[in-house]
Amino acid sequence: AQTVTQSQPEMSVQEAETVTLSCTYDTSESDYYLFWYKQPPSRQMILVIRQEAYKQQNATENRFSVNFQKAAKSFSLKISDSQLGDAAMYFCAYRSPNTGNQFYFGTGTSLTVIP
Amino acid sequence: ETGVTQTPRHLVMGMTNKKSLKCEQHLGHNAMYWYKQSAKKPLELMFVYNFKEQTENNSVPSRFSPECPNSSHLFLHLHTLQPEDSALYLCASSQAVSASSYNEQFFGPGTRLTVL
Repeated sequence: AQTVTQSQPEMSVQEAETVTLSCTYDTSESDYYLFWYKQPPSRQMILVIRQEAYKQQNATENRFSVNFQKAAKSFSLKISDSQLGDAAMYFCAYRSPNTGNQFYFGTGTSLTVIP
Repeated sequence: ETGVTQTPRHLVMGMTNKKSLKCEQHLGHNAMYWYKQSAKKPLELMFVYNFKEQTENNSVPSRFSPECPNSSHLFLHLHTLQPEDSALYLCASSQAVSASSYNEQFFGPGTRLTVL
């Protein structure tokens, strides 16, 4: 089974600054899908951004962008102009097109935003 | 109601009780999922239903019993649970399983389960 590693259990960032959350994964497949999900305290997990492996261009959604390095099997999330509402657990996830719809999640990074 | 809803939001039960968790999705999806979320561990996929048919059962103990009567509703029946089963149980839904699309999952708020 694929494994997803988030090596930063906790991160903090000053409001309005930029922070990067790291994610690496282990796979032998050439095509797959990657996701970042956000889970605010006591609130629902929501999708932040997604990337398909064969697309070389890094995905961007407003203040959120990814740095996808396929050869390094790295999928980091950059949050620019951090806001208090960005405080949450962030989960990286991998989906293989060959194993049904099973998602593999990392252990998460808890992001604190300092006013 | 929109999105994915779960009831109850909190549940405390003894080891001899029988209870059920309910999930409902209002997104027109055809696949539904149960996950277990424990602190400092990756989300654990428990069950997958695609068009009401169970397609995944990731070695889940039989004290957890899923039921999917239609594409909009999913239940998790619980009986004779153990304290280590205490966790946040998340329901999710997506479009029908397809290899060639994102199939991102939409999550409910979860049920916080405590087994005494």
